[in-house]
Amino acid sequence: DTAVSQTPKYLVTQMGNDKSIKCEQNLGHDTMYWYKQDSKKFLKIMFSYNNKELIINETVPNRFSPKSPDKAHLNLHINSLELGDSAVYFCASSPGQGSQYFGPGTRLTVT
Amino acid sequence: AQSVTQLGSHVSVSEGALVLLRCNYSSSVPPYLFWYVQYPNQGLQLLLKYTSAATLVKGINGFEAEFKKSETSFHLTKPSAHMSDAAEYFCAVSDRGYGGSQGNLIFGKGTKLSVKP
Repeated sequence: DTAVSQTPKYLVTQMGNDKSIKCEQNLGHDTMYWYKQDSKKFLKIMFSYNNKELIINETVPNRFSPKSPDKAHLNLHINSLELGDSAVYFCASSPGQGSQYFGPGTRLTVT
Repeated sequence: AQSVTQLGSHVSVSEGALVLLRCNYSSSVPPYLFWYVQYPNQGLQLLLKYTSAATLVKGINGFEAEFKKSETSFHLTKPSAHMSDAAEYFCAVSDRGYGGSQGNLIFGKGTKLSVKP
């Protein structure tokens, strides 16, 4: 009964490919997020979704696109992958008051 | 704009010793503040949060943090370190502040805690 789950856990792919990372939460939260953690462990917000509406879109390349088929899911699509996209990507969800609950992460390696 | 500074990228303590991880924040609105812990190859887990109630906040695993407005600090402490506390610790502030229920988290750069036997 994992609260926030992500698939896959590891993703290795070549430059130029298109890939997706899936996220699901069973907590009934209204808001979901995607974060990127670089090799120095720095975490940065990428997107957030509230009730299927994008409410904040940070200055990330438009090769990245979040897609939310319903309130429980927020998937991340990445087109034309580049070496610099290699990182750990975390999904999170929030019930409000700022608290966020994180998934286990997806380690993306672009070769 | 909100920001967080964590002093010390690496802290090493002996088992049984006091743990003190420092966090200073900058916020243009009354802040929501958080500490998260990340164990190796895992996601982030919420340790505790300050949301304008009591200034001394108790969290899981024996950790606590004190909000000091005059010092713009939110340091994390634990009286006695255990080996299992070894992890990366992140301080964060919500970018919407108090009442900003849908705000994003602005994270510090993290502090790696090592515990020596």
